Amino acid sequence: GDSVTQMEGPVTLSEEAFLTINCTYTATGYPSLFWYVQYPGEGLQLLLKATKADDKGSNKGFEATYRKETTSFHLEKGSVQVSDSAVYFCALRPLSGYSTLTFGKGTMLLVSP
Amino acid sequence: NAGVTQTPKFQVLKTGQSMTLQCAQDMNHNSMYWYRQDPGMGLRLIYYSASEGTTDKGEVPNGYNVSRLNKREFSLRLESAAPSQTSVYFCASSVGTGPGTEAFFGQGTRLTVV
Repeated sequence: GDSVTQMEGPVTLSEEAFLTINCTYTATGYPSLFWYVQYPGEGLQLLLKATKADDKGSNKGFEATYRKETTSFHLEKGSVQVSDSAVYFCALRPLSGYSTLTFGKGTMLLVSP
Repeated sequence: NAGVTQTPKFQVLKTGQSMTLQCAQDMNHNSMYWYRQDPGMGLRLIYYSASEGTTDKGEVPNGYNVSRLNKREFSLRLESAAPSQTSVYFCASSVGTGPGTEAFFGQGTRLTVV
């Protein structure tokens, strides 16, 4: 079945450091890919998405590129802030049928001043 | 902008008790979902409703039932709660189930079964 694998956390960074959170997937065909963010005590919010190979999703300084050759969708940000501290989830939605979102286990990011 | 509203936000149950988690969305979405979130497990799909009048099992449906009451509302019922059902439950909705369709999440219900 479909699955998403994320790097384990927590990832601890100092403010203004470069961020990469790895995400790889297993799926039939070319699913849509998503990054969601969950701030403490809240629900998940969509951060960015990509629907086809080589697409780049971007939002709030975060970017991720859909790489079909490596089945990856790594999340990057050039300069993190304390307010970026949260749990980040990579997810996929298959191409066909009544499809639902499949999530990775999440990666906690902790940014210190 | 209410979006997806879940009630209650917190609940403590005794083993064997029953309860219903309520979810309503005001975005005229066709599809609705129930997930549970456990430490180290990410989000796992319990049940979903692709459209009004249909429901389907997800990855972890045992011990749960759902009702799609109308287009807006999708409830999750625990008939006989067990400690293994201690979790944070999230309801979500989306326009449909097509490629690229994002889901919108509620704030969650933190359930403890003692």
